[in-house]
Amino acid sequence: QQQVKQSPQSLIVQKGGISIINCAYENTAFDYFPWYQQFPGKGPALLIAIRPDVSEKKEGRFTISFNKSAKQFSLHIMDSQPGDSATYFCAASDGGSQGNLIFGKGTKLSVKP
Amino acid sequence: KAGVTQTPRYLIKTRGQQVTLSCSPISGHRSVSWYQQTPGQGLQFLFEYFSETQRNKGNFPGRFSGRQFSNSRSEMNVSTLELGDSALYLCASSPYSISYEQYFGPGTRLTVT
Repeated sequence: QQQVKQSPQSLIVQKGGISIINCAYENTAFDYFPWYQQFPGKGPALLIAIRPDVSEKKEGRFTISFNKSAKQFSLHIMDSQPGDSATYFCAASDGGSQGNLIFGKGTKLSVKP
Repeated sequence: KAGVTQTPRYLIKTRGQQVTLSCSPISGHRSVSWYQQTPGQGLQFLFEYFSETQRNKGNFPGRFSGRQFSNSRSEMNVSTLELGDSALYLCASSPYSISYEQYFGPGTRLTVT
């Protein structure tokens, strides 16, 4: 049973546009929601993370929006650049009994110049 | 600070053999987690170690095992390799006893023929 559902699978955005990736989770015990960015041949890199006590977190061009009641969270990449082309993974963890991360299936983002 | 390092980076083995992969966490990090990444299943948690103790284990057969040394370095072993074990094996380290923030290494690409 997939505990974190991510959409879309792939996304094409023009340079300067906004990229939006969505995730939904099932386990209400999750209390940490990170996003990872992975380039080909590299390991995932922690991009930004949020906890459920806030509805939004912004770091540079990257923003996480969190909706606790809907059990959904999303990543917004403003002013998308060709260098942002990568695969993005959302994840969730409850930190305590299950300290491991549960990952979504990933979204391959291509930003066209 | 140096990042997470994994050796070897690439490995080709034959079905039925066994393999040992190594991970050196970021200096000062005591938690090490292992993940398997495949195109079909995505990123799946294998196990996590903290202070030489396995704290958490994913849903993988007993052929997958690991250990952690007193210097926090970790190894994972896969015995009786199967074709389906071909994957990118990722190690992640965390500075905390509850592994919220995890930092990934570049991975070891294992090909089983």
